[in-house]
Amino acid sequence: AQKITQTQPGMFVQEKEAVTLDCTYDTSDQSYGLFWYKQPSSGEMIFLIYQGSYDEQNATEGRYSLNFQKARKSANLVISASQLGDSAMYFCAMRKGTGANSKLTFGKGITLSVRP
Amino acid sequence: GAGVSQSPRYKVTKRGQDVALRCDPISGHVSLYWYRQALGQGPEFLTYFNYEAQQDKSGLPNDRFSAERPEGSISTLTIQRTEQRDSAMYRCASSRGALSLYNEQFFGPGTRLTVL
Repeated sequence: AQKITQTQPGMFVQEKEAVTLDCTYDTSDQSYGLFWYKQPSSGEMIFLIYQGSYDEQNATEGRYSLNFQKARKSANLVISASQLGDSAMYFCAMRKGTGANSKLTFGKGITLSVRP
Repeated sequence: GAGVSQSPRYKVTKRGQDVALRCDPISGHVSLYWYRQALGQGPEFLTYFNYEAQQDKSGLPNDRFSAERPEGSISTLTIQRTEQRDSAMYRCASSRGALSLYNEQFFGPGTRLTVL
C-alpha cells in the first residue's frame, strides 16, 4: 500500500525567507505522480505543484519548487520568499496510476506559519 | 468558469438519520472523486467515477455509504443511518480525465457533516 509521511510539527518561517516542507513516500510502483496542495484556514484545497516519477527536472511553479529525490523517496516542497498569505496547512499526495488507480493518497499535512 | 460546487456546505443531523451530499463538478470533467477529511488530517479517498461508472469504491468504509453519478455529471454521496464517527468534511474533486498521472484534481469547498 502507498504511504505518505509528513512528520514535521508546526513549522514557522520569517517573512521573505525560504522554507522546506518535508514529504517522504513509500511505493513499489515505478510510475507515479506527486502533488502538493495548500489548505488555508478558509478550508479550500489549492493545487500547488506536480512532479512525475519520470521527470528528470525538479518541478517549479513560481515561488514553489519541489526537491525530488527519487532514490530517497522524498518530495520536499520549497517555498521561497515566504509571504504572510503562505500561512496554511500543506499536504503532500501521491497518485500511483491512471483510470481506476487515479485516486490521491494524502499525508497528514504540515502547518506553516509565516511571521511578519 | 465555475469551480466544483458542493451542497449543502454544512449539515447537522441526528444519529440514525440518512444524509445525501451533492457534488456538481466542473463542466466537462469526466472524473469525479469523493474524499473524507477528519479535522487536522489529510483527505482520505472514498470513491471514484469515470463518467457514470463507479470504477473504484474501495475507500467506502462500510455498506452505509454509497455514491452515484447517474448521468455522468452531478454526484450524490449518501450515508445511511449516520453515526457520530461519520462526522467529517466530505470533499468532492473533479478532473478532465484520469488517463494521465498529471491530471489535476480540482476540489470543491466540502460539506461539513456533524452527527449529533
